Amino acid sequence: NAGVTQTPKFRILKIGQSMTLQCTQDMNHNYMYWYRQDPGMGLKLIYYSVGAGITDKGEVPNGYNVSRSTTEDFPLRLELAAPSQTSVYFCASSFTRLAGGPHNEQFFGPGTRLTVL
Amino acid sequence: ELKVEQNPLFLSMQEGKNYTIYCNYSTTSDRLYWYRQDPGKSLESLFVLLSNGAVKQEGRLMASLDTKARLSTLHITAAVHDLSATYFCAVVGTTSGTYKYIFGTGTRLKVLA
Repeated sequence: NAGVTQTPKFRILKIGQSMTLQCTQDMNHNYMYWYRQDPGMGLKLIYYSVGAGITDKGEVPNGYNVSRSTTEDFPLRLELAAPSQTSVYFCASSFTRLAGGPHNEQFFGPGTRLTVL
Repeated sequence: ELKVEQNPLFLSMQEGKNYTIYCNYSTTSDRLYWYRQDPGKSLESLFVLLSNGAVKQEGRLMASLDTKARLSTLHITAAVHDLSATYFCAVVGTTSGTYKYIFGTGTRLKVLA
């Protein structure tokens, strides 16, 4: 299993540009997450999904959008990039047997380092 | 509000010494996770603690959970340089019937040779 994969690894955007960060997992996990981590800081949850077709906002959703059309993929869209979105973005996944149940141990992707100039 | 606090935030220690990292949380929770992050890398799972009194050990690290005190500890025994990393705890709690997964602030550990 490849686990959780993310592309690209690095990206530089100009203010106002848009881009999609890709995330794919091959572990058949139902829950998926997007976090951002600013330098020297902890993780902040942007969006999460408990299954295909179901997404919900996390702590810092403004400026981002997500979709979950398949179990495997959970892309994160930045529409109008701003310098405040410069960060490292991590995708993660986990599995729970009970729909809507408590979250389990998360498996993280390698991250995407994004700089907005 | 769900809060997870770790202390210390920064820890510099000599090789061979022992130390404990503390994780306090504000919500009722019966599960707690510890993760490790090496500089410039992603997070990897260290321990999963699923009940009061749970204790897990791997190598020089031992984690425990006291759900009544809402406290978890990560104890380091005879530290070595390879343990230098940032350690995060995470708790699953509920808000208005919805489960939330909350990470702690992280403890940056530096082990000096």
